[in-house]
Amino acid sequence: QITLKESGPTLVKPTQTLTLTCTFSGFSLSTSGVGVGWIRQPPGKALEWLALIYWDDDKRYSPSLKSRLTITKDTSKNQVVLTMTNMDPVDTATYYCAHSRIRFLDRAKVSRSFDPWGQGTLVTVSS
Amino acid sequence: QSALTQPASVSGSPGQSITISCTGTSSDVGSYNLVSWYQQHPGKAPKLMIYEVSKRPSGVSNRFSGSKSGNTASLTISGLQAEDEADYYCCSYAGSSTLEFGGGTKLTVL
Repeated sequence: QITLKESGPTLVKPTQTLTLTCTFSGFSLSTSGVGVGWIRQPPGKALEWLALIYWDDDKRYSPSLKSRLTITKDTSKNQVVLTMTNMDPVDTATYYCAHSRIRFLDRAKVSRSFDPWGQGTLVTVSS
Repeated sequence: QSALTQPASVSGSPGQSITISCTGTSSDVGSYNLVSWYQQHPGKAPKLMIYEVSKRPSGVSNRFSGSKSGNTASLTISGLQAEDEADYYCCSYAGSSTLEFGGGTKLTVL
């Protein structure tokens, strides 16, 4: 059974850097075809894909947030860490991590789906 | 503003069928059979319902089905039940290993 759980601060101040950790079990992020993604959801709004890290340490980011995001993995700890710099009140959201199955398409790694998801963690940006 | 367009809301009576559309462009939905659908109940994490346009994960009811025509993907729920009332989101591969979500659709079971 695959499970994931997000952890990190519930409140950050504007301009600070947010660091979130996704701790998972039931799979290894060193197994070919596996990835972990981060997705966020502002209160009452839609889902937004942020970043994805693959088993081979390759990484992809949302083009609109790429300059502010860094995703890393610690395979030995079964953890994925997302950092987001220069936080703003508009970044207030529930942040989810999710397991992803990866396939190759024209030599590019693509996510087939996010399943399952963690429970999410609400991060509020306020002074 | 989301990259993929979904109707804000749809509704149906128990037992009926409804369809939720997800309209993209020739750069995302139209070019790849990599559309997935997620169900989200209030206060809960999203749940995968359909992947790769029409594939259903183990454990998901066969009342849920997906399809695609051109730049528009669709999720159909047949035999509508009260527990289907939720928000539904589509997601598509958009090239260069990036992903896009739709704006979400609130399904109300009357």
